[in-house]
Amino acid sequence: QVQLVQSGTEVKNRGASVKVSCKASGYMFGSNGISWARQAPGQGLEWVGWISPHNGDTKYAEKFQGRVTMTTDISTNTAYMELRTLRSDDTAVYYCARVFGVDHFDSWGQGTLVVVSS
Amino acid sequence: SYVLTQPPSVSVAPGQTAKITCEGNNIGSKSVHWYQQKPGQAPVLVVFDDSDRPSGIPERFSGSNSGNTATLTLSRVEAGDEAAYYCQLWDSNTDHHVLFGGGTKLTVL
Repeated sequence: QVQLVQSGTEVKNRGASVKVSCKASGYMFGSNGISWARQAPGQGLEWVGWISPHNGDTKYAEKFQGRVTMTTDISTNTAYMELRTLRSDDTAVYYCARVFGVDHFDSWGQGTLVVVSS
Repeated sequence: SYVLTQPPSVSVAPGQTAKITCEGNNIGSKSVHWYQQKPGQAPVLVVFDDSDRPSGIPERFSGSNSGNTATLTLSRVEAGDEAAYYCQLWDSNTDHHVLFGGGTKLTVL
């Protein structure tokens, strides 16, 4: 079965960077895009961006342009999301999700809590 | 920019039908997807492409989309359906690309 397993909780200082990993199994990694979304405490879901493991194409939400980089490693079936210049309002649970078809997410990772402390 | 509007909360008695709406300008021309999220858990896809169900999702979950409103309908609601529900679409005309509604908390009375 499709499974996405994310890295563990991160605690970072303001201005630092964080890199979250998402290891996929149970399907051909290159066949589906990977999207990242986040959820601040008590808030709704917010899309961060998308990457194609097949060719490395990326799309980022405008508010994260310049601060986020998404990459994949086909050899280990792992996707990564790096967010730089962290601010307090970046404190959230970050999710990776497999893109099915063109535009929706049929499997999600368990989430990675990123805490930005001042 | 395009906005998806959901009611913050919906309440329903067990066994009744709950309807959760997602409003957007001419949303009927787009494909809408719905996710269920229980506290402390990752979202789960319950309806995609307006009205299709992934395998394993009960027939009690159904969706429709027309005009300016997409609707998720839960029939014969059970206590275990209590969760937050999010609509989502992919809009290539916006910088956001992927949009989520603000979420609706379904309370089973």
